[in-house]
Amino acid sequence: DAEITQSPRHKITETGRQVTLACHQTWNHNNMFWYRQDLGHGLRLIHYSYGVQDTNKGEVSDGYSVSRSNTEDLPLTLESAASSQTSVYFCASSLQGNYEQYFGPGTRLTVT
Amino acid sequence: QKEVEQNSGPLSVPEGAIASLNCTYSDRGSQSFFWYRQYSGKSPELIMSIYSNGDKEDGRFTAQLNKASQYVSLLIRDSQPSDSATYLCAVNEVDYKLSFGAGTTVTVRA
Repeated sequence: DAEITQSPRHKITETGRQVTLACHQTWNHNNMFWYRQDLGHGLRLIHYSYGVQDTNKGEVSDGYSVSRSNTEDLPLTLESAASSQTSVYFCASSLQGNYEQYFGPGTRLTVT
Repeated sequence: QKEVEQNSGPLSVPEGAIASLNCTYSDRGSQSFFWYRQYSGKSPELIMSIYSNGDKEDGRFTAQLNKASQYVSLLIRDSQPSDSATYLCAVNEVDYKLSFGAGTTVTVRA
């Protein structure tokens, strides 16, 4: 079955370290999105991509980067992890030309 | 980032009752509206999409849209304990992005 997966599901890292969170979807969706979810803030868009080699900044992109080398994957990199980046991260995808987004299971990241 | 406001909750309803969730949005040009259900510790799950004014029913769920009032709602009929979750309203932005409300937590009392 087609699906969207994220790894790792849980991660603890130290301040200043580089961290990469993986997102992989097998739906052949062109659109992929990264969100963070924090109490009191809801879902906030970090970065998004509409296809290979396309990346765009969302509302909370500082300290994060993404790259899109194929249709299936959109890894999210925290260049130098900060305690403020402790959060739950969700990847989502949608078909080209479609607003319906489908979410991965999430990664809980703790920065100590 | 467009504004999407939801009634803050939490909303507690007895089993078998109707739960009513409300959402207002700021962009009069929005055309696509979604309800997601999120169980504690899980990811959001799309349960309803609505694009036209009026009602859309799917099982025990009914979405209602009034574009003139910039209002979308979700009714859960015959509420069950398994409906206890946080419900997120989402509204389209440009370029196939979504703006999400903060969510309303529903608890169904047995």
